[in-house]
Amino acid sequence: EAQVTQNPRYLITVTGKKLTVTCSQNMNHEYMSWYRQDPGLGLRQIYYSMNVEVTDKGDVPEGYKVSRKEKRNFPLILESPSPNQTSLYFCASSLSAGSRSGYTFGSGTRLTVV
Amino acid sequence: QQQVKQSPQSLIVQKGGISIINCAYENTAFDYFPWYQQFPGKGPALLIAIRPDVSEKKEGRFTISFNKSAKQFSLHIMDSQPGDSATYFCAASSYKAAGNKLTFGGGTRVLVKP
Repeated sequence: EAQVTQNPRYLITVTGKKLTVTCSQNMNHEYMSWYRQDPGLGLRQIYYSMNVEVTDKGDVPEGYKVSRKEKRNFPLILESPSPNQTSLYFCASSLSAGSRSGYTFGSGTRLTVV
Repeated sequence: QQQVKQSPQSLIVQKGGISIINCAYENTAFDYFPWYQQFPGKGPALLIAIRPDVSEKKEGRFTISFNKSAKQFSLHIMDSQPGDSATYFCAASSYKAAGNKLTFGGGTRVLVKP
Protein backbone atom coordinates (compact mmCIF):
# COMPACT_ATOMS: atom_id res chain seq x y z
CA GLU A 1 0.00 0.00 0.00
CA ALA A 2 1.34 3.42 -0.98
CA GLN A 3 1.73 5.44 2.16
CA VAL A 4 3.63 7.91 4.27
CA THR A 5 4.44 6.56 7.72
CA GLN A 6 5.14 8.80 10.67
CA ASN A 7 6.28 7.80 14.12
CA PRO A 8 5.42 8.27 16.86
CA ARG A 9 1.71 9.13 16.62
CA TYR A 10 1.72 10.78 20.04
CA LEU A 11 4.58 12.25 22.00
CA ILE A 12 4.77 14.15 25.28
CA THR A 13 8.14 15.58 26.15
CA VAL A 14 9.75 18.18 28.37
CA THR A 15 11.24 21.48 27.34
CA GLY A 16 14.76 21.13 25.99
CA LYS A 17 14.83 17.37 25.47
CA LYS A 18 15.87 16.61 21.91
CA LEU A 19 13.47 14.53 19.87
CA THR A 20 13.09 13.14 16.37
CA VAL A 21 9.91 12.42 14.46
CA THR A 22 10.47 9.94 11.68
CA CYS A 23 8.83 9.97 8.27
CA SER A 24 9.11 7.33 5.58
CA GLN A 25 7.41 6.95 2.18
CA ASN A 26 7.28 3.91 -0.07
CA MET A 27 6.27 5.61 -3.32
CA ASN A 28 9.73 6.64 -4.55
CA HIS A 29 8.63 10.29 -4.32
CA GLU A 30 11.28 12.93 -4.85
CA TYR A 31 9.57 15.68 -2.88
CA MET A 32 8.90 15.57 0.86
CA SER A 33 7.76 18.21 3.29
CA TRP A 34 6.86 18.80 6.92
CA TYR A 35 3.85 20.81 8.03
CA ARG A 36 2.47 21.79 11.39
CA GLN A 37 -1.25 22.17 11.94
CA ASP A 38 -2.61 24.62 14.49
CA PRO A 39 -6.26 25.61 15.06
CA GLY A 40 -7.33 28.46 12.80
CA LEU A 41 -3.96 28.60 11.07
CA GLY A 42 -4.31 25.60 8.79
CA LEU A 43 -1.13 23.81 7.81
CA ARG A 44 2.12 25.73 7.65
CA GLN A 45 5.22 24.41 5.96
CA ILE A 46 8.27 23.88 8.16
CA TYR A 47 10.85 22.41 5.79
CA TYR A 48 10.85 20.69 2.45
CA SER A 49 13.19 18.53 0.38
CA MET A 50 13.33 18.41 -3.39
CA ASN A 51 15.50 15.28 -3.38
CA VAL A 52 18.26 13.50 -1.47
CA GLU A 53 20.59 15.97 0.26
CA VAL A 54 18.47 18.93 -0.94
CA THR A 55 16.48 20.64 1.81
CA ASP A 56 15.20 24.15 2.36
CA LYS A 57 13.21 26.23 4.82
CA GLY A 58 9.48 26.67 4.64
CA ASP A 59 7.44 29.35 6.39
CA VAL A 60 8.08 28.37 10.01
CA PRO A 61 11.52 26.69 10.23
CA GLU A 62 12.72 28.18 13.54
CA GLY A 63 13.52 25.49 16.11
CA TYR A 64 13.47 22.62 13.62
CA LYS A 65 16.02 20.68 11.61
CA VAL A 66 15.64 18.08 8.88
CA SER A 67 17.83 15.77 6.88
CA ARG A 68 17.38 13.77 3.69
CA LYS A 69 20.08 11.14 3.48
CA GLU A 70 17.87 8.62 1.72
CA LYS A 71 15.04 9.18 -0.70
CA ARG A 72 12.43 7.45 1.44
CA ASN A 73 13.19 9.07 4.81
CA PHE A 74 12.79 12.65 5.99
CA PRO A 75 13.09 12.97 9.79
CA LEU A 76 12.11 16.12 11.67
CA ILE A 77 14.43 17.03 14.54
CA LEU A 78 13.67 19.33 17.43
CA GLU A 79 17.00 20.01 19.12
CA SER A 80 15.54 21.89 22.10
CA PRO A 81 11.75 21.72 22.06
CA SER A 82 9.73 24.54 23.58
CA PRO A 83 6.03 24.72 24.54
CA ASN A 84 5.23 26.80 21.43
CA GLN A 85 6.15 23.76 19.35
CA THR A 86 3.19 21.87 20.78
CA SER A 87 1.27 21.05 17.64
CA LEU A 88 0.06 18.41 15.21
CA TYR A 89 2.75 17.57 12.68
CA PHE A 90 2.33 16.08 9.23
CA CYS A 91 4.83 14.70 6.79
CA ALA A 92 3.86 14.76 3.13
CA SER A 93 5.36 13.57 -0.13
CA SER A 94 4.67 14.03 -3.82
CA LEU A 95 6.07 12.72 -7.05
CA SER A 96 7.99 15.88 -7.82
CA ALA A 97 8.24 19.50 -6.72
CA GLY A 98 5.90 20.67 -9.46
CA SER A 99 3.51 17.76 -9.21
CA ARG A 100 -0.17 18.52 -9.48
CA SER A 101 -1.12 14.99 -8.48
CA GLY A 102 -1.40 16.06 -4.88
CA TYR A 103 0.44 15.43 -1.68
CA THR A 104 0.21 12.16 0.24
CA PHE A 105 0.13 12.94 3.94
CA GLY A 106 1.04 10.77 6.87
CA SER A 107 -1.42 10.27 9.73
CA GLY A 108 0.21 12.90 11.90
CA THR A 109 2.21 13.19 15.11
CA ARG A 110 0.65 15.01 18.02
CA LEU A 111 3.44 16.59 20.04
CA THR A 112 3.03 18.13 23.47
CA VAL A 113 5.96 19.99 25.03
CA VAL A 114 5.57 20.71 28.75
CA GLN B 1 -0.46 37.25 7.39
CA GLN B 2 -2.42 34.45 5.82
CA GLN B 3 -2.22 34.43 2.05
CA VAL B 4 -5.29 32.20 1.79
CA LYS B 5 -8.25 33.13 3.96
CA GLN B 6 -10.95 30.54 4.53
CA SER B 7 -14.44 30.90 5.93
CA PRO B 8 -16.40 29.86 7.86
CA GLN B 9 -14.32 28.16 10.55
CA SER B 10 -17.12 25.69 11.12
CA LEU B 11 -20.54 24.90 9.79
CA ILE B 12 -23.38 22.55 10.56
CA VAL B 13 -25.65 21.31 7.78
CA GLN B 14 -28.51 18.88 7.70
CA LYS B 15 -28.23 15.68 5.70
CA GLY B 16 -29.15 16.43 2.10
CA GLY B 17 -28.26 20.11 2.40
CA ILE B 18 -25.53 22.10 0.66
CA SER B 19 -22.26 22.94 2.40
CA ILE B 20 -20.42 25.99 1.08
CA ILE B 21 -16.87 26.93 2.04
CA ASN B 22 -15.22 30.06 0.72
CA CYS B 23 -11.58 30.99 0.21
CA ALA B 24 -9.89 34.19 -0.88
CA TYR B 25 -6.30 34.64 -1.93
CA GLU B 26 -3.97 37.57 -2.48
CA ASN B 27 -1.09 36.23 -4.54
CA THR B 28 -1.95 36.53 -8.24
CA ALA B 29 0.88 34.11 -9.06
CA PHE B 30 -1.14 31.22 -7.64
CA ASP B 31 -2.11 28.88 -10.45
CA TYR B 32 -3.36 25.75 -8.74
CA PHE B 33 -6.12 25.53 -6.17
CA PRO B 34 -6.72 22.17 -4.47
CA TRP B 35 -9.08 21.25 -1.68
CA TYR B 36 -8.09 18.72 0.96
CA GLN B 37 -10.38 16.70 3.21
CA GLN B 38 -9.25 15.58 6.65
CA PHE B 39 -10.98 13.06 8.89
CA PRO B 40 -10.18 12.92 12.63
CA GLY B 41 -6.92 11.12 13.28
CA LYS B 42 -5.91 11.17 9.63
CA GLY B 43 -3.81 13.32 7.39
CA PRO B 44 -5.40 15.54 4.76
CA ALA B 45 -6.23 13.90 1.44
CA LEU B 46 -6.65 15.58 -1.93
CA LEU B 47 -10.35 15.95 -2.73
CA ILE B 48 -10.56 18.07 -5.87
CA ALA B 49 -8.47 20.75 -7.57
CA ILE B 50 -8.90 23.50 -10.15
CA ARG B 51 -6.72 25.70 -12.33
CA PRO B 52 -7.57 29.38 -12.93
CA ASP B 53 -8.39 28.86 -16.62
CA VAL B 54 -11.74 27.26 -15.72
CA SER B 55 -14.56 28.70 -13.64
CA GLU B 56 -16.02 25.47 -12.30
CA LYS B 57 -15.06 21.85 -11.77
CA LYS B 58 -17.38 19.12 -10.60
CA GLU B 59 -16.55 15.68 -9.26
CA GLY B 60 -19.56 13.81 -7.98
CA ARG B 61 -21.20 15.85 -5.23
CA PHE B 62 -18.22 18.18 -4.91
CA THR B 63 -17.90 21.34 -7.00
CA ILE B 64 -15.26 24.05 -7.03
CA SER B 65 -16.29 27.48 -8.27
CA PHE B 66 -13.50 29.86 -9.20
CA ASN B 67 -13.65 33.64 -9.67
CA LYS B 68 -10.29 34.85 -10.93
CA SER B 69 -11.14 38.57 -10.96
CA ALA B 70 -12.33 38.47 -7.36
CA LYS B 71 -9.49 36.14 -6.33
CA GLN B 72 -11.96 33.84 -4.67
CA PHE B 73 -12.87 30.17 -4.92
CA SER B 74 -15.33 28.01 -3.11
CA LEU B 75 -16.23 24.39 -2.45
CA HIS B 76 -19.83 23.26 -2.66
CA ILE B 77 -20.85 19.91 -1.23
CA MET B 78 -24.21 18.95 -2.66
CA ASP B 79 -26.56 16.52 -0.93
CA SER B 80 -24.29 16.53 2.14
CA GLN B 81 -23.98 13.19 3.94
CA PRO B 82 -22.89 12.34 7.50
CA GLY B 83 -19.80 10.72 5.98
CA ASP B 84 -18.79 14.15 4.66
CA SER B 85 -18.25 15.35 8.23
CA ALA B 86 -14.60 16.36 8.21
CA THR B 87 -12.30 19.35 8.15
CA TYR B 88 -11.79 20.89 4.73
CA PHE B 89 -8.77 22.93 3.72
CA CYS B 90 -8.45 25.08 0.65
CA ALA B 91 -4.95 25.64 -0.65
CA ALA B 92 -3.04 27.39 -3.40
CA SER B 93 0.32 27.08 -5.04
CA SER B 94 2.36 28.48 -7.87
CA TYR B 95 4.89 26.95 -10.22
CA LYS B 96 6.99 29.99 -9.43
CA ALA B 97 7.00 29.29 -5.71
CA ALA B 98 10.11 27.67 -4.31
CA GLY B 99 9.57 24.07 -3.35
CA ASN B 100 6.06 23.68 -4.75
CA LYS B 101 4.75 25.07 -1.50
CA LEU B 102 1.07 24.62 -0.86
CA THR B 103 -0.31 27.55 1.12
CA PHE B 104 -3.31 26.39 3.14
CA GLY B 105 -6.34 28.19 4.45
CA GLY B 106 -7.25 27.92 8.12
CA GLY B 107 -9.68 25.03 7.64
CA THR B 108 -13.44 24.55 7.99
CA ARG B 109 -14.90 21.91 10.24
CA VAL B 110 -18.08 20.55 8.64
CA LEU B 111 -20.65 18.59 10.62
CA VAL B 112 -23.48 16.95 8.71
CA LYS B 113 -26.40 16.06 10.97
CA PRO B 114 -28.45 13.00 10.08
